[in-house]
Amino acid sequence: DADVTQTPRNRITKTGKRIMLECSQTKGHDRMYWYRQDPGLGLRLIYYSFDVKDINKGEISDGYSVSRQAQAKFSLSLESAIPNQTALYFCATSDLGGSNQPQHFGDGTRLSIL
Amino acid sequence: RKEVEQDPGPFNVPEGATVAFNCTYSNSASQSFFWYRQDCRKEPKLLMSVYSSGNEDGRFTAQLNRASQYISLLIRDSKLSDSATYLCVTGRNRDDKIIFGKGTRLHILP
Repeated sequence: DADVTQTPRNRITKTGKRIMLECSQTKGHDRMYWYRQDPGLGLRLIYYSFDVKDINKGEISDGYSVSRQAQAKFSLSLESAIPNQTALYFCATSDLGGSNQPQHFGDGTRLSIL
Repeated sequence: RKEVEQDPGPFNVPEGATVAFNCTYSNSASQSFFWYRQDCRKEPKLLMSVYSSGNEDGRFTAQLNRASQYISLLIRDSKLSDSATYLCVTGRNRDDKIIFGKGTRLHILP
């Protein structure tokens, strides 16, 4: 079983719909992250959380919200999806030790907004 | 200047050859360094951490040059399965920030 699991793996939906992407991990890591990846733009950080009561905006948080329901779960919501949110979304985790620790990624969610 | 810069490539290299690419970083406060590998439409996977003294893992060697602010990745005896995008990553303890480069594409040719 994967240590970092993202659901769904693929999603096609329409403009204006609310969408939730789920991430769960069995690694016991405190830190969790949401990224999006677009061709030519690399990975861009949307939100991150260092523990259950901590939520921080990344470089592109507009149009997104997150919820850290438990240490193992971090979900990303698009309240009203728009076509330019079409991208590959990754959840990642890392252990205590801050930026000295590598991040571990889920398999990704391919999201298409029509 | 971007905080982490990589040559996007692609590097087209015959199987069995040695290939090396660099990554430059602009913030001297960067303290941790990693190389990740990403296959097309897949998640990034940690390839290796980069230590101050340099380190080797099989056919892969990573080096850090703090004076010139770059890290390098050397792949010896390249295999077809090494074809991927290689992401350079730096971390800063001061503000706990992790920065991903956009990656270098490598194609190993049969």
